[in-house]
Amino acid sequence: SAVISQKPSRDICQRGTSLTIQCQVDSQVTMMFWYRQQPGQSLTLIATANQGSEATYESGFVIDKFPISRPNLTFSTLTVSNMSPEDSSIYLCSASRTGGLNTEAFFGQGTRLTVV
Amino acid sequence: DQQVKQNSPSLSVQEGRISILNCDYTNSMFDYFLWYKKYPAEGPTFLISISSIKDKNEDGRFTVFLNKSAKHLSLHIVPSQPGDSSVYFCAASAPGGTSYGKLTFGQGTILTVHP
Repeated sequence: SAVISQKPSRDICQRGTSLTIQCQVDSQVTMMFWYRQQPGQSLTLIATANQGSEATYESGFVIDKFPISRPNLTFSTLTVSNMSPEDSSIYLCSASRTGGLNTEAFFGQGTRLTVV
Repeated sequence: DQQVKQNSPSLSVQEGRISILNCDYTNSMFDYFLWYKKYPAEGPTFLISISSIKDKNEDGRFTVFLNKSAKHLSLHIVPSQPGDSSVYFCAASAPGGTSYGKLTFGQGTILTVHP
């Protein structure tokens, strides 16, 4: 398994501002992902964080709103830009070691964001 | 389009009895399935998984069954314990290069085990 630490664990932000969430893994991993869990909803994949290149975004998510960095194999950031109350969610970082079958994905504890 | 569905939002079970959580999927490309449990203020914790080449995988009190023809899987917990009370998510992934680890989740089922 891998231990994934996210910072901050929670924040309350003003609308129109941006927040950057950090994700640190305790060992090198192949894949890193960012998910969102809106209140009462399931987890939805935002994007795959690619090391050294632009992230791959899922339908409905764009780089201008959720810029992502992954400078190395153990670290990634997600920025939530120009926030509105609709962005209030739990944001989760995930990582996995291999890309083949039987790949488990591990999760950080999440960042609970409230936009007021 | 909800490709992974958990149709029971909640389940209540007596301690010592069996808990059965169900999950259905629509995407026939999914070939690897996982169950996670999630407590409030924590990230999902991996429980057990199954690949499409199997129809059963067991780990202690947890067993996952896969019925590919019905596109259905279930998680059995025997015997259930109060500490099992949590939200359980079913997740699936499809093959293709770097796709593994990239998961589609169901809506979750809240399991409550009563002493």
